[in-house]
Amino acid sequence: EIVLTQSPGTLSLSPGERATLSCRASQTVSSSYLAWYQQKPGQAPRLLIYGASSRAAGIPDRFSGSGSGTDFTLTISRLEPEDFAVYYCQQSRTFGQGTKVEIK
Amino acid sequence: EVQLLESGGGLVQPGGSLRLSCTASGFTFTSYAMSWVRQAPGKGLEWVSAISNAAVSTYYADSAKGRFTISRDNSKNTLYLQLNSLRAEDTAVYYCAKVLGGSFPLIDYWGQGTLVTVSS
Repeated sequence: EIVLTQSPGTLSLSPGERATLSCRASQTVSSSYLAWYQQKPGQAPRLLIYGASSRAAGIPDRFSGSGSGTDFTLTISRLEPEDFAVYYCQQSRTFGQGTKVEIK
Repeated sequence: EVQLLESGGGLVQPGGSLRLSCTASGFTFTSYAMSWVRQAPGKGLEWVSAISNAAVSTYYADSAKGRFTISRDNSKNTLYLQLNSLRAEDTAVYYCAKVLGGSFPLIDYWGQGTLVTVSS
């Protein structure tokens, strides 16, 4: 069973800063089935990235995904106030534990 | 606009049963696999189950096998999750989700969720 480990657990940043979130798989996985989601309090998750690097419809280009093999990254180039949330990666049927991006 | 509306959650005693429903609109329901994902209070996401577009294939997490049953009625654009032998650890918000075409089981749309509370 694949385990996805996200780091850091919490990221404290200011608006305008760059955020780099990591998702590491316990074994090599297909990037075709790697996604990133954003979840705000009291809301359902929202798809940001699929296939490791493809942005979902309507997602701003400040969000980008990269990686392959066991290491994947979600980058938010310049944080907007609405980007402070929890981010999850998913590979196939497994989710990571999430990274909270909070305002510093 | 894709809409997924869950219902059927509530308070149930340990060992009890519930049936969750999800009514879909805004897309061709018969063309897409569907899924259920849950989230315990204050915790992360857990994939629970999925079903192919024609209901030929079903998939379950180990935690759901033998207790939960996923099904769909394509004539009613409705997805179901039958929850049996419920345990306290099944307490969660259950999200209905549309699977991203060609990328099973990734999800492109989520419902707002329905809360299932298992407690005596």
